[in-house]
Amino acid sequence: GQSLEQPSEVTAVEGAIVQINCTYQTSGFYGLSWYQQHDGGAPTFLSYNGLDGLEETGRFSSFLSRSDSYGYLLLQELQMKDSASYFCASDSNYQLIWGAGTKLIIKP
Amino acid sequence: NAGVTQTPKFRVLKTGQSMTLLCAQDMNHEYMYWYRQDPGMGLRLIHYSVGEGTTAKGEVPDGYNVSRLKKQNFLLGLESAAPSQTSVYFCASSPRTDLQETQYFGPGTRLLVL
Repeated sequence: GQSLEQPSEVTAVEGAIVQINCTYQTSGFYGLSWYQQHDGGAPTFLSYNGLDGLEETGRFSSFLSRSDSYGYLLLQELQMKDSASYFCASDSNYQLIWGAGTKLIIKP
Repeated sequence: NAGVTQTPKFRVLKTGQSMTLLCAQDMNHEYMYWYRQDPGMGLRLIHYSVGEGTTAKGEVPDGYNVSRLKKQNFLLGLESAAPSQTSVYFCASSPRTDLQETQYFGPGTRLLVL
């Protein structure tokens, strides 16, 4: 079957750096997306990797290794507003297959 | 632009009742999706559409029907609601470029089935 695995919860300190990992097993893989969802809100797009390597968007970076079926989201200079759930999703044949999400808890 | 809007925002149903959730987008996107999200879980795809007049089943289609009569609207129907359908329902749309798949989400509909 198709699946994406990511940690259920990660805790970090304000101002620090945190990495959220995602391993995937999907057919017809095109790329890996990352979405952010605050409690009670809708998911919003953060980043996409269609090719191997690092993509940087401000404080957020995302990495993909197709040979390892692995990617990660890196958040730098953490702020309290970054407290949210983060989802990886693989782009596969007209659909996004979603991981279960990682809840990021940020402590002052 | 309003983006993606969903109606209603919240609804309570009794078991066996029917209802329709409306999703509308003003971005001229070809692709539209209906998801459900249960507490502490990711999104599961119910149905999707790759264009006006077309629909397809997703991961969890049972108990739901959809229609895409107009490009900007995607309707999700529950013919006979069950408590297991208590969830938050998200609609999304996508321009589906060749380069990447970015989905834009509505604010969600919270459905409680008693």
